Amino acid sequence: EPEVTQTPSHQVTQMGQEVILRCVPISNHLYFYWYRQILGQKVEFLVSFYNNEISEKSEIFDDQFSVERPDGSNFTLKIRSTKLEDSAMYFCASSEGPNEKLFFGSGTQLSVL
Amino acid sequence: DAKTTQPTSMDCAEGRAANLPCNHSTISGNEYVYWYRQIHSQGPQYIIHGLKNNETNEMASLIITEDRKSSTLILPHATLRDTAVYYCIVGSNDYKLSFGAGTTVTVRA
Repeated sequence: EPEVTQTPSHQVTQMGQEVILRCVPISNHLYFYWYRQILGQKVEFLVSFYNNEISEKSEIFDDQFSVERPDGSNFTLKIRSTKLEDSAMYFCASSEGPNEKLFFGSGTQLSVL
Repeated sequence: DAKTTQPTSMDCAEGRAANLPCNHSTISGNEYVYWYRQIHSQGPQYIIHGLKNNETNEMASLIITEDRKSSTLILPHATLRDTAVYYCIVGSNDYKLSFGAGTTVTVRA
């Protein structure tokens, strides 16, 4: 079965540093998403992306966050100046269309020290 | 999006059917019922979704009541690998799936 690939699997960074989390969605999918899960808490929606623009974003997705599809295959999440509370597992997902199933990647564990 | 209510946890015997209930009494006409699961700390995995009719796929069956205020996910023959947190989510599109706490299902040998 096709899968969403995320790199790196673990990322450790210092507070205030910029990080870029990378994702390769499934090739024929058109909708892309980032979710995150703080340890022991719920999976939270961050942002959805379609047709090269943000479709919807949550309150968590403030000015420190940005997303980009730099080429035809990658989808990235950038955190400009990381905070301790950004430490979480970040999941990328993609789908063929609205109301279709989401395929999630295995996540990037981000630790901000 | 409508809220859902699920039991916090349930146990199931290996080889038996697991029936997972979900209440969504405030669901509106254009909202789908989605089920996902999360095994340990892996990414959530899609199981099934439906609007009005009952649905079945290779993983599970979804039974939605006629008034659409509740649904049941059925895993027909639970295995140890089905131990996971199961999420019932209601929404009108999948731009923004709102995951709750889900039901922790433990399949016992």
